[in-house]
Amino acid sequence: KQEVTQIPAALSVPEGENLVLNCSFTDSAIYNLQWFRQDPGKGLTSLLLIQSSQREQTSGRLNASLDKSSGRSTLYIAASQPGDSATYLCAVRPGNQFYFGTGTSLTVIP
Amino acid sequence: DTEVTQTPKHLVMGMTNKKSLKCEQHMGHRAMYWYKQKAKKPPELMFVYSYEKLSINESVPSRFSPECPNSSLLNLHLHALQPEDSALYLCASSRLGTGLGYEQYFGPGTRLTVT
Repeated sequence: KQEVTQIPAALSVPEGENLVLNCSFTDSAIYNLQWFRQDPGKGLTSLLLIQSSQREQTSGRLNASLDKSSGRSTLYIAASQPGDSATYLCAVRPGNQFYFGTGTSLTVIP
Repeated sequence: DTEVTQTPKHLVMGMTNKKSLKCEQHMGHRAMYWYKQKAKKPPELMFVYSYEKLSINESVPSRFSPECPNSSLLNLHLHALQPEDSALYLCASSRLGTGLGYEQYFGPGTRLTVT
């Protein structure tokens, strides 16, 4: 069964800093990887989807990379803002189901 | 429209009650999912429906009964729940198949409290 791990579990940074969140998965046979954001008590908001044939995707201040062979993805957030404070989850899709990572709780301090 | 809606937003029920959660999407997605999420944990997959048929049941207790009456609707019927079933229940949908770019869209969730 696919195991997905995210490091670090929690991260606190001052506003304006660039940061990297990590996601690793055990089985490289995936169709895509999706990064989500979740605010406390809310649903998940999709941030970026990387297809298995792609190396990276960008949306605004966010950049996600995928190295399928090594089972790793990173989410880069540039010039962090207090509004970026949330839990970030990655999920991999080997079939018609998605396996979620353990999440990184991000706090951006004004 | 990329919205998945869920009702109710909050639900409090006793252990002997019967209630239902509802999920709806109009994106033409033929895969729909129920997840359970406890505080500070990632979502745990419960059920997957593909073309309105149950395709994955992650060994969920029978007190949770899913139903997919049509391609836009997904219900979760609840009966004789336990306090440990209190959680955020999330619905999601996606396109089916192994094609690229089939991302998952989530609803806002139903916060369930079992007393």
